[in-house]
Amino acid sequence: ETGVTQSPTHLIKTRGQQVTLRCSSQSGHNTVSWYQQALGQGPQFIFQYYREEENGRGNFPPRFSGLQFPNYSSELNVNALELDDSALYLCASRSGGAFHGYTFGSGTRLTVV
Amino acid sequence: QKEVEQDPGPLSVPEGAIVSLNCTYSNSAFQYFMWYRQYSRKGPELLMYTYSSGNKEDGRFTAQVDKSSKYISLFIRDSQPSDSATYLCAMRGIYGQNFVFGPGTRLSVLP
Repeated sequence: ETGVTQSPTHLIKTRGQQVTLRCSSQSGHNTVSWYQQALGQGPQFIFQYYREEENGRGNFPPRFSGLQFPNYSSELNVNALELDDSALYLCASRSGGAFHGYTFGSGTRLTVV
Repeated sequence: QKEVEQDPGPLSVPEGAIVSLNCTYSNSAFQYFMWYRQYSRKGPELLMYTYSSGNKEDGRFTAQVDKSSKYISLFIRDSQPSDSATYLCAMRGIYGQNFVFGPGTRLSVLP
């Protein structure tokens, strides 16, 4: 399978709930990053996983957490959802030695009400 | 001041026009520079990648990096309606784990 796939495509949650977003990396890519993109803004880095270990984190609180699995798929978990968490969440993967950019998925549109 | 600034747009041009998209940045450690195109309701798609200063051409697209001025540009020649999208610049240092994105410029190419 080629490309990065994310699920679900859309999600509506209530403030205070928890959410799990899923990502299947492009074949051969062992590094995955998650980004948050608010409406009209560029993507903001949440964290990165390499071989199942978090090896970089942006300015996001601990209620944003993640996992990467042995098959390099990954999850983003957000606890205690806030209205400002409403955004497009993007998963991006690359091979460990490739510095020239990520392959992005189409994202999950999360709306918190 | 944001780490990466981008001409906000939106920008509307007639088909066939030359388009210039620009970003400025403040972090002199940035070495890798990318341009992404993002269609509505889609993830960003890598268009161009440049390491350090210089020019790179790929078909109708040319990327320029001027590290002395902390300024990067993307030129689109013979613009087409299919080029209508949001264009994001992104950059990182040699040892950085993440890319820093600009806020994007929305481009409309009118037939």
